[in-house]
Amino acid sequence: QVQLVQSGAEVVRPGASMKVSCKASGYTFTGYYMYWVRQAPGQGLEWMGWINPNSGGTKFAQKFEGRVTMTRDTSISTAYMELNGLKSDDTAVYYCARGGSSYRNIGFDPWGQGTLVTVSS
Amino acid sequence: QSALTQPASVSGSPGQSITISCTGTSGDVGSYNYVSWYQQRPGKAPKLMIYDVIIRPSGLPNRFSGSKSGNTASLTISGLQAEDEGDYYCSSYRGSGTLVFGGGTKVTVL
Repeated sequence: QVQLVQSGAEVVRPGASMKVSCKASGYTFTGYYMYWVRQAPGQGLEWMGWINPNSGGTKFAQKFEGRVTMTRDTSISTAYMELNGLKSDDTAVYYCARGGSSYRNIGFDPWGQGTLVTVSS
Repeated sequence: QSALTQPASVSGSPGQSITISCTGTSGDVGSYNYVSWYQQRPGKAPKLMIYDVIIRPSGLPNRFSGSKSGNTASLTISGLQAEDEGDYYCSSYRGSGTLVFGGGTKVTVL
C-alpha cells in the first residue's frame, strides 16, 4: 500500500538546524509531488513547501524562504526537509504528504505519521 | 499570507447534516477548482476527505460532499455519526505553486 514513513522525534537547540526524512513506498516516487506541512501544538495546519521528486524543483511558502531546503534521493524514494535557524515557535509536528502529478493537485494522500520537533535549550 | 476563514466550531446531533464553510478570496478559492478538505482526529495525521472541490477519494462514505460558490467552499456531512468528530481543514491553491490552509473547524457530535 502507499505509505510515507518519517524519521523520529528530535529535540534541537535554538539557532540549530533540523532535517526530517520521509520514505515513500508503494508507488512511483518520482511521479508525485511531495509536500511539507507543519502543525504547532494546538494550532492549525501550515503549508511549508513542495518538491517535485522527478526534477528536484521546489517551491516554498514565503514565510520559510531562505530558511528551508527540500531535497530528495530518488534511489531510496526518500524526501528531506531541512529547516535552519530554529526558534521556539518552530516547535511543531512536521508532516510530509503526497500530492498529485502537478503542483495544482493539492489533495494530499497519504500523509506521513508526523515528526515532532521540539526547539528547546 | 492570510489563512482561509473557517468557523471555529460546528456541532450537530447524530443523523443530522452540518456544513462547514471555508471563505477565501478571488485569488484562491474564487479562482481555482482546487479546494481540498481534511479530517484530523486527535494525535493523528490529517486524512483527505474531498479534493478538487467535489471529488471524494475512493472508499470514503458518500455522506461527505463538497461544493463551492464564489469565494466560499463548503463541506457537508450528512447523516452525522459519532466517528465524524474531529478537526476539519480546508485548503486552496493560490496560484504560482502556492497554497493556503484554513484555520480549522472543530466538529462535535452532540
